[in-house]
This record gives sequence, structure tokens and C-alpha cells, in this order.
Amino acid sequence: AQRVTQPEKLLSVFKGAPVELKCNYSYSGSPELFWYVQYSRQRLQLLLRHISRESIKGFTADLNKGETSFHLKKPFAQEEDSAMYYCALSLMIKAAGNKLTFGGGTRVLVKP
Amino acid sequence: GAVVSQHPSWVICKSGTSVKIECRSLDFQATTMFWYRQFPKQSLMLMATSNEGSKATYEQGVEKDKFLINHASLTLSTLTVTSAHPEDSSFYICSARDGRDIYEQYFGPGTRLTVT
Repeated sequence: AQRVTQPEKLLSVFKGAPVELKCNYSYSGSPELFWYVQYSRQRLQLLLRHISRESIKGFTADLNKGETSFHLKKPFAQEEDSAMYYCALSLMIKAAGNKLTFGGGTRVLVKP
Repeated sequence: GAVVSQHPSWVICKSGTSVKIECRSLDFQATTMFWYRQFPKQSLMLMATSNEGSKATYEQGVEKDKFLINHASLTLSTLTVTSAHPEDSSFYICSARDGRDIYEQYFGPGTRLTVT
């Protein structure tokens, strides 16, 4: 069965410092991986997905199949980055849709 | 952008009663909708996948007779918690997939259910 692990429940960094959120996955197939973010009192929203290889709000994530990781990084954290971050793995079940398996989440707190 | 709404945003009900939660895609047609449950300070757990016009597919351990899902149209899915008990108290979140993008899910704001 697929599994997503985010080892850190809380990351506290100072503004301007780099931040890295770890995500490891286990899945025998070819994974599609995502990072979702949930700001305070807001709904979950997609931050980025590995297939698009884009940088959103300064965040990047690289899929490392050898290490089965998809860590999220930002070189200079901002206070508005304080939020809950979830790594998710998508299973493609034929064409019926992708089921997301979420990691436990990491709360990021950026201090001024 | 694609917007998903949920109604109600919070509900309190008594043990033994049933409560219905609606999930609507406001500006797109959702061929597939998903229902998640989130306990305090925990992650989202997929409960079921709902495809328009067909029966929902439930995840292992989720009681389909307790959590009734109906996806009667391309813009509406409902989750009915039947004979609710205090342990059903949770945050229920739906998401919807636009048929044009097989990867992205748009999430609703969630519904907080408290069973007394």
C-alpha cells in the first residue's frame, strides 16, 4: 500500500532563512506527487506538483526516485509562508480519477 | 479559478440523528468528487470517491451504510452521516476534480460536525 511520511510536525524558522520540508513516500508504481498548503482558516490548496516542475511562491520540490523523496524547499522564508503543508501522492486508478494519499502534515512557523 | 463550496460550514446534531453535508462545484463540472475526514491536528483521510451517476467507492474501514454518498449531478455530491454518534464528530472536507484535469483536485472549505 502507498504511504506518505512527513517526519516533521513542526518547523520553526526565522524570516529570510531557508526552509526544507521533508516528504518520503512508498509506492511500487510511478508516483505523482503534490504539495498542498493550508493557510490559517483557509481551505487546502495546491502549491505545486512535480509533473509541472514549476516554482510557486518561491517553493520548489524535486522528485528523487532513488531516495523516494519529494522535499519542499524555499531559500528565503517569509512570514506569509506560515501554514500547514501536506505532501500527497496520487494514484491513478485507470481514468476514473486520482486518489490522494496525504502525509501527516508539517506546520511551518516563520518568525520575524 | 475553480471553486468548491460546502454547506453547512458547521453543524451540531444529537446522537442518533442524521446530517447531510453538501459539496458543490460552482464554476465547473466535477466528474469525480472525494470526501475526506480530518481529525484535529491530523491529516486528511480519504473516505470515499464519488463519481457522477454511479455508486461511490469507499475506502477500507469506512462504513458505506453509515456514510451515504450521493453524486446526483456534475456539480453536487452529498454526504449523509446516518445515526450519528459522538465519535463521528470531525471535520469533513470534499474535493472535486475537473474533468479536464485528471490530476488537480479543488477543495471545499470543510464542514465541522459535532455530535452531542
